[in-house]
Amino acid sequence: GQQLNQSPQSMFIQEGEDVSMNCTSSSIFNTWLWYKQDPGEGPVLLIALYKAGELTSNGRLTAQFGITRKDSFLNISASIPSDVGIYFCAGRRDRDDKIIFGKGTRLHILP
Amino acid sequence: DTEVTQTPKHLVMGMTNKKSLKCEQHMGHRAMYWYKQKAKKPPELMFVYSYEKLSINESVPSRFSPECPNSSLLNLHLHALQPEDSALYLCASSQGQGYGYTFGSGTRLTVV
Repeated sequence: GQQLNQSPQSMFIQEGEDVSMNCTSSSIFNTWLWYKQDPGEGPVLLIALYKAGELTSNGRLTAQFGITRKDSFLNISASIPSDVGIYFCAGRRDRDDKIIFGKGTRLHILP
Repeated sequence: DTEVTQTPKHLVMGMTNKKSLKCEQHMGHRAMYWYKQKAKKPPELMFVYSYEKLSINESVPSRFSPECPNSSLLNLHLHALQPEDSALYLCASSQGQGYGYTFGSGTRLTVV
């Protein structure tokens, strides 16, 4: 079935560092989404990307929709403790009404 | 109101019990979804309702029975579940094709 390859699987960083994670697919998506999930909660939408090449920011977060429509990245600048959590990329095709998730990137911030 | 509300937050049920999970949204979204999430895994799609009609069933066992009474409500009826069905069950809604989903906080289900 359809798969999204998300990397890295986990990251251990110091507070204040920048973070970068990405997602690739063998198929084209029309929408790329980035979610963050805290323990015991549902995923929260961070950024939605709707056009190939689109670069969108949300505070310290920046995400881009790859030109080929088969990849996307998320950058977090100047990380803070509340950035800890699991980040999921997700892709959506227009031909059906469902979103496919990557396996997630678990972000840890070292004291 | 920009939320998806799920109840209960936690549920423990025996394998012979019948229970229901509830989901509600008042954002006028026309699509609603049930996802299942096991620990340290991404959410997996179970069902999609579009304009109150079931449009996608991802080969979910019949012991899970979805219901969409109206455009704001989505239920998931549970019967004769197995311990391996223990998971976080997430409801989501969406304006339509091309838009992201808004997720609820989930129901943590434990089957004993």
